[in-house]
Amino acid sequence: EVQLVESGGGLVKPGGSLRLSCAAAGFTFRNHNMNWVRQAPGQGLEWVSFIDSYGSQIYYADSVKGRFTISRDNAKNSLHLQMNTLRAEDTAVYYCARDGGNYYFDSWGQGTLVTVSS
Amino acid sequence: EIVMTQSPATLSVSPGERATLSCRASQSIASNVAWYQQKPGQAPRLLIYDASTRATGIPARFSGSGSETVFSLTISSLQSEDFAVYYCQQYNYWPPGTFGPGTKVDIK
Repeated sequence: EVQLVESGGGLVKPGGSLRLSCAAAGFTFRNHNMNWVRQAPGQGLEWVSFIDSYGSQIYYADSVKGRFTISRDNAKNSLHLQMNTLRAEDTAVYYCARDGGNYYFDSWGQGTLVTVSS
Repeated sequence: EIVMTQSPATLSVSPGERATLSCRASQSIASNVAWYQQKPGQAPRLLIYDASTRATGIPARFSGSGSETVFSLTISSLQSEDFAVYYCQQYNYWPPGTFGPGTKVDIK
């Protein structure tokens, strides 16, 4: 069974930083592209970032480009999102999501809440 | 950027009835659409990909159709566990993989 478990969320002040992690199990992590998707409170879903299985092809949503950095450690079956210069509008539940093979998301973690507030 | 719209925003349906949800793309996206179900406090779950292929473990009462710019998700006979929010997502133009705003299916 595929398991994705996010961690690292919390309360941070505007301008601050946070690093999210996603621990993967139940599948061959190094063979799969991965994503971060977020959901602001009471709102819809927003794709944030993509990384291919090798860690060489990376994309970001315009809303986070230059502030967020996605990375992965295939030896440790883990995905990360370094978030810098955080803004109030970054407040959301952040989900780790596995790519289903063609840029849709076939497995999701339970999410971790990031709150940016003074 | 492709804009995805969904209608209606809310659909009130009685258990056992059929529900049809619509999703439109601002330009042609072939069949590169996925549908997700999200219940309160839970992560989204993949239902359909490639417009009409059911994901693993998804009951046959869920079906998807459409191509180019118009897509639909049909739930043939609503069960109590189907009351949720449903999102469509395009992946023909990547990045970004844009989602629709969602349709909430609630109990009539």
